[in-house]
Amino acid sequence: GAVVSQHPSRVICKSGTSVKIECRSLDFQATTMFWYRQFPKQSLMLMATSNEGSKATYEQGVEKDKFLINHASLTLSTLTVTSAHPEDSSFYICSAANSGNQPQHFGDGTRLSIL
Amino acid sequence: EDKVVQSPLSLVVHEGDTVTLNCSYEVTNFRSLLWYKQEKKAPTFLFMLTSSGIEKKSGRLSSILDKKELSSILNITATQTGDSAIYLCAVAPMEYGNKLVFGAGTILRVKS
Repeated sequence: GAVVSQHPSRVICKSGTSVKIECRSLDFQATTMFWYRQFPKQSLMLMATSNEGSKATYEQGVEKDKFLINHASLTLSTLTVTSAHPEDSSFYICSAANSGNQPQHFGDGTRLSIL
Repeated sequence: EDKVVQSPLSLVVHEGDTVTLNCSYEVTNFRSLLWYKQEKKAPTFLFMLTSSGIEKKSGRLSSILDKKELSSILNITATQTGDSAIYLCAVAPMEYGNKLVFGAGTILRVKS
């Protein structure tokens, strides 16, 4: 089955630090990648949709300068949480899909804790 | 506004029981409905349904879509403790490309 790798799986850092999370599709070319945020016992909240070679589309209420997304190739997208604060602590998950008719496949997620 | 509603929100059963999870949706230009299972990490794909009335099956899990009723069910027979997870239903509207609208999920706990 399709494999999506997300790294790192866990980050603990000080307030004010910028954190980069990588999402790679290992065995298929992902025309679109998605970034989600999930709070405990809640469903996934879509933050942005990322298409290779173009600017990401952010959902309402998500600050583009705070959550920088780069999708430089068909197999890699990165999310950078800039100047992270404790309220940014959450579980961040990426997913990838290679066409409109194929399901999204998810990475294992990154648990971000800002002290 | 597109919406996906799952029920029940949580469920506790004993090993060996059969469970039915429900998902109803309101979307314009429906493309497909997907079921995912989420344990401690990110969701894993279970089923994608596009046609009404055709059951998809994988081991003890099965799912079916009813486009007339705008709903789907996920059945798990002979439940095991390893089935304990959050089950997420998501719908893909036609005009969103791959974008999904997720329900809140059903938390299933299977007791031994």
